[in-house]
Order: sequence, then C-alpha cells, then structure tokens
Amino acid sequence: DGGITQSPKYLFRKEGQNVTLSCEQNLNHDAMYWYRQDPGQGLRLIYYSQIVNDFQKGDIAEGYSVSREKKESFPLTVTSAQKNPTAFYLCASSIGLQGQETQSFGPGTRLLVL
Amino acid sequence: AQTVTQSQPEMSVQEAETVTLSCTYDTSESDYYLFWYKQPPSRQMILVIRQEAYKQQNATENRFSVNFQKAAKSFSLKISDSQLGDAAMYFCAYRTGGADGLTFGKGTHLIIQP
Repeated sequence: DGGITQSPKYLFRKEGQNVTLSCEQNLNHDAMYWYRQDPGQGLRLIYYSQIVNDFQKGDIAEGYSVSREKKESFPLTVTSAQKNPTAFYLCASSIGLQGQETQSFGPGTRLLVL
Repeated sequence: AQTVTQSQPEMSVQEAETVTLSCTYDTSESDYYLFWYKQPPSRQMILVIRQEAYKQQNATENRFSVNFQKAAKSFSLKISDSQLGDAAMYFCAYRTGGADGLTFGKGTHLIIQP
C-alpha cells in the first residue's frame, strides 16, 4: 500500500542535542512538507521541498534543517538552536506544489525534551 | 500574510443531528483553495473536503458539505446525520494557487453526544 511513514513515533531530546525525524513516502509524490503542531494550535509550516536537492523555508524554519537527497525521503533535523522543540511533527506530501493538489499526511512524531 | 480563523474552539452535537463548523479567512489572492481536515484521537490528518475558490458551486462529500461565501471570505463545514466516528478535531486550511504549504486555523473540537 502507498503511504507516508514517519519514525520514530516518540522521540526524546536532551538539552543541546540535535535529533532527526524521518519521513518516507512511496506515493511517487514530488512535493514534501514538514509541519509542527502545538497543543490548541493548528499546524504551522516548517519547510517544504518540490524536488530533490531543493527546499524552501516555511513560516517557522528557525532552529530546524532539512535535506532532500532522494525523492522518497525528507528528514527533519531539530537543532539545539530550537529552544522549544516539544511538539507533534507531521510530514506530508503531494504530487506537486500546485494549490489544488491535496496533501496526504503521515502519522506524526511526538518530540519531547528531557 | 494569509490567516485562517476558527471561532469555535469546541462544538457538541447529538448523534444523527446536523452541525456546522465555522471558518473565515483573510487573503488578497484571487486564486486559492480551501480544505477541511479531520484529526481523530489517533492524530492522523484526514482530508474531509476541498473547495476551489473559482468554483461557485459548494463542494459536497456524502454527509459533508461546505457553504463557501467568497465575498465574505467564509468557508463553513456542515456535517449531516452526525455519527460517533465524526468526533475529532476539525481544521480549516487555506492554500494559494501557486506554491508553499497550507495555512491552518486553530481547530474546532467536535463532540458527538450518543
């Protein structure tokens, strides 16, 4: 079955540590996205990518980095510069970047700070 | 910047009744798309319905329909014959026709009373 997988389901970060969240899709989608969800809030866009080796900052990119070395994969690194990383992180993909194209979401990763 | 506002943090409805969730948005764009996503306790984001701004006809998907008022920048979701499985957070989202990701409202928590 085609879909989006995110791992791990839960992730714990120590102070000053960088952690990487995995996102893989087998939908043959060109575009991929990372969103952050805080309690009582909607999702906010962190980064997005239309093609391999290209990505753009979203609304809240500070303290995060991404790479897009393969079409299927779009990992997100939460760096030590992100002072409030505790949140639920959702990865999404769509066929392209056009507005009418529907985004499909992965199951999410819950990041907690120790 | 575009904004999406959901003014009802929580709504409650009796099973089999009809409920309407409100959403307003602010944009200066003429080409855009509007979405309603459902997030059940599993936290998986599920697309409920989509509306293209250039279409005057309101979108419908089985028990779900929208009331799209372009001049008023309003996009409400009507759920008919509410079922227990409809209980979830509902997010209204906006996207321009060009690029980048979705802009979300803060969500409405829908409770279904048996």
